[in-house]
Amino acid sequence: QSALTQPASVSASPGQSITISCTGTSSDIGGYNYVSWYQHHPGKAPKLMISDVSNRPSGVSSRFSGSKSGNTASLTISGLQAEDEAEYFCSSYTSTDTLVLFGGGTKLTVL
Amino acid sequence: QVQLQESGPGLVKASQTLSLTCTVSGGSINSESYYWSWIRQPAGKGPEWIGRIYLSGRTNYNPSLKSRLTISVDTSKNQFSLKLSSVTAADTAVYYCARGIAGHLIWGQGTLVTVSS
Repeated sequence: QSALTQPASVSASPGQSITISCTGTSSDIGGYNYVSWYQHHPGKAPKLMISDVSNRPSGVSSRFSGSKSGNTASLTISGLQAEDEAEYFCSSYTSTDTLVLFGGGTKLTVL
Repeated sequence: QVQLQESGPGLVKASQTLSLTCTVSGGSINSESYYWSWIRQPAGKGPEWIGRIYLSGRTNYNPSLKSRLTISVDTSKNQFSLKLSSVTAADTAVYYCARGIAGHLIWGQGTLVTVSS
């Protein structure tokens, strides 16, 4: 069981939008704006898509956006494309000695 | 653009020490702006943060691994390394190295390490 909770899977058709949630506690997501989202295609390096809750690094499509409410962070992907099919996982700073927590990952299927 | 590549044995016997090296290219490890991390992901599970090191040598380790863990940096080779002692089957995972700044990471592709009995 991972420290941050994500749905195991989500699916949608091309052109649609999806939102992936990432739930933690007040010691991590709720207490700090250090939430990141990563896209992971099998066999490749995980790619940073969102940092600091809602910042999109240079080169990342504007179809990706992040937000936070209380202890839950969310990643929204609009205008789904076939290449968006991947695993997505969140991470957060935590005030515990562990320092960094990850979610269990969400498998996105583009139908 | 910085790239990171993990290297080391893919098979380690139980009770022995797992040793991995991360080679940084396209950028210098000799920067105080970043920290250098290790993360692992067992099959079917989410990633687990192992620890990190700064250029100064300051380290932060996951408390669950701290007693078995050493992370070091070799600026002359633009590399940093991981040593995890007394491994068991529970240490079988894909191991990633990463460069960090603030709360986010740039990752390597990862390398699978299997602990055999």
